[in-house]
Amino acid sequence: NAGVTQTPKFQVLKTGQSMTLQCAQDMNHNSMYWYRQDPGMGLRLIYYSASEGTTDKGEVPNGYNVSRLNKREFSLRLESAAPSQTSVYFCASRGFYSYEQYFGPGTRLTVT
Amino acid sequence: ILNVEQSPQSLHVQEGDSTNFTCSFPSSNFYALHWYRWETAKSPEALFVMTLNGDEKKKGRISATLNTKEGYSYLYIKGSQPEDSATYLCAFIGTASKLTFGTGTRLQVTL
Repeated sequence: NAGVTQTPKFQVLKTGQSMTLQCAQDMNHNSMYWYRQDPGMGLRLIYYSASEGTTDKGEVPNGYNVSRLNKREFSLRLESAAPSQTSVYFCASRGFYSYEQYFGPGTRLTVT
Repeated sequence: ILNVEQSPQSLHVQEGDSTNFTCSFPSSNFYALHWYRWETAKSPEALFVMTLNGDEKKKGRISATLNTKEGYSYLYIKGSQPEDSATYLCAFIGTASKLTFGTGTRLQVTL
């Protein structure tokens, strides 16, 4: 069991470039989440998907889009990266009967 | 936006000291509270999930209590060790799907 995996681990983008962060889980979890972590701000929810085929905005969705491709995969897309999107991005998943979320290793993104 | 606050922001203790920190959250629409331990350069790992008022959970030297009526939870560490150094996050769940995280308490334990 790999748990929650994220790619890439690190990325540097120029302002205006686009990219997709990939997340996959092999625990058959229904819910998946994308968070960003900034100094002094804790973890903030960007988007989540309560089940395959559904996505909802979290606290800070502006500038991002998501796709729940299937039960395993949940991707986060930055269409036109901005320096304010420099952050560490975490993906997480949760099973139907559990409150506990399992986190991936994070993607450190720098936008210059 | 829900207000989940943790205090103190950071804490420095010596090995062997016992310590505790607080998470406060909205007392209405409570569903569950999580505590996570987050070591530098790793991802957060769940410590406790607490759902009932008066809940007490324990894992080794770490324990937590929950008061949903007044909206707070305490995390206690007995006899702190250097390996306890981490950021401790609490997360409030008011609906079944979303967690709202506090900003964390950063604990450093020195010899």
